Amino acid sequence: NAGVMQNPRHLVRRRGQEARLRCSPMKGHSHVYWYRQLPEEGLKFMVYLQKENIIDESGMPKERFSAEFPKEGPSILRIQQVVRGDSAAYFCASSRVAGGHPNEQFFGPGTRLTVL
Amino acid sequence: EDQVTQSPEALRLQEGESSSLNCSYTVSGLRGLFWYRQDPGKGPEFLFTLYSAGEEKEKERLKATLTKKESFLHITAPKPEDSATYLCAVQAIGGSYIPTFGRGTSLIVHP
Repeated sequence: NAGVMQNPRHLVRRRGQEARLRCSPMKGHSHVYWYRQLPEEGLKFMVYLQKENIIDESGMPKERFSAEFPKEGPSILRIQQVVRGDSAAYFCASSRVAGGHPNEQFFGPGTRLTVL
Repeated sequence: EDQVTQSPEALRLQEGESSSLNCSYTVSGLRGLFWYRQDPGKGPEFLFTLYSAGEEKEKERLKATLTKKESFLHITAPKPEDSATYLCAVQAIGGSYIPTFGRGTSLIVHP
């Protein structure tokens, strides 16, 4: 019973390049969340997606960042024209259908992005 | 705006020395409070969900409790393998189910 999968685990990019981070949710989970974590800081919410829909992108920078969760395949977080300040650990989490209950999020191992 | 404050920021214990971590929260209406454990270089690992004041949950040496303003994570007779950062998060009623995370408590247990 595989958990949340993220790849790559480590990604190095030069300034100006594009970074693509992939996330496959747990089996049976249809909600995906992306977070960014910097050293000594907490998890910062970026975007919440369901299949083919962005539900909440209030934490996503307006420029250079985009996310999708297509009908088939993993969720993708795309960062265009990366800058050194984008260096961080990016975590994906998934949950079951929320309904009326608190829905626990289960996290992947993260992608550590380093921008040179 | 929902707020979560965890204390202390860091805690050093000797093996077997019991202690508690605190998570104070402000939320318009609590849907659920979550505790996670995060090891260096890894993603947060889910531990507990608490739904209402007075609720308690246990797992091995850990026990989580909840009041209307705060939650405690009690660690009984900790072992070095309990060393990790413990994160608390709250989920509010209404909105888009996005939990608000605290900054965590970094726990080191010395043998």
